[in-house]
Amino acid sequence: DIQMTQSPSTLSASVGDRVTITCRASQSISSWLAWYQQKPGKAPKLLIYKASSLESGVPSRFSGSGSGTEFTLTISSLQPDDFATYYCQQYNSYSLTFGGGTKVEIK
Amino acid sequence: QLQLQESGPGLVKPSETLSLTCTVSGGSISSSSYYWGWIRQPPGKGLEWIGSIYYSGSTYYNPSLKSRVTISVDTSKNQFSLKLSSVTAADTAVYYCATLEIAVAAIDPWGQGTLVTVSS
Repeated sequence: DIQMTQSPSTLSASVGDRVTITCRASQSISSWLAWYQQKPGKAPKLLIYKASSLESGVPSRFSGSGSGTEFTLTISSLQPDDFATYYCQQYNSYSLTFGGGTKVEIK
Repeated sequence: QLQLQESGPGLVKPSETLSLTCTVSGGSISSSSYYWGWIRQPPGKGLEWIGSIYYSGSTYYNPSLKSRVTISVDTSKNQFSLKLSSVTAADTAVYYCATLEIAVAAIDPWGQGTLVTVSS
């Protein structure tokens, strides 16, 4: 199984801050990585697919990068609506794994 | 656009079998573009992939749950289903059905989720 290690688990930031979340895979997954945002009581929402492709309708302040085993999600200027929990997800050989999540809190 | 809706009991007794169904609307479950899957989230915890199925019936399961999981598809009803046997309190979670778009290997859309509690 491929393990996904996401860091940090919690992040305190202010509106306007640049925020970076990291996800590391236990083996290479090429660019088969997606990022999701989840708010309390709601299903996750797809933000980024194939490591760096922005899902339609997602604000351009969200961006993704990386390939192989190391990936990042960046929010260029944190907005009030962005306080949420973020998950990475890998796909390899018909199997999926999620990272443990990063909760972005108000500082 | 695709929409997914979970249905099934919200309370299951320990040692029994959890059964949920996902109804797909706005598109065909027989599409070659998607896998159909189940993902769960225990209260206050992260996401766990349970398994996926292709319209042909090919299934793929999380190795940690494989011995207890069965996912099936009913193309005539545009539905797919989850059965999880021998449940314990550790299986208490919000269960989501979801669509994995094969070309981009990402999950969208998700169902709204349904809380299943395992308790006597």
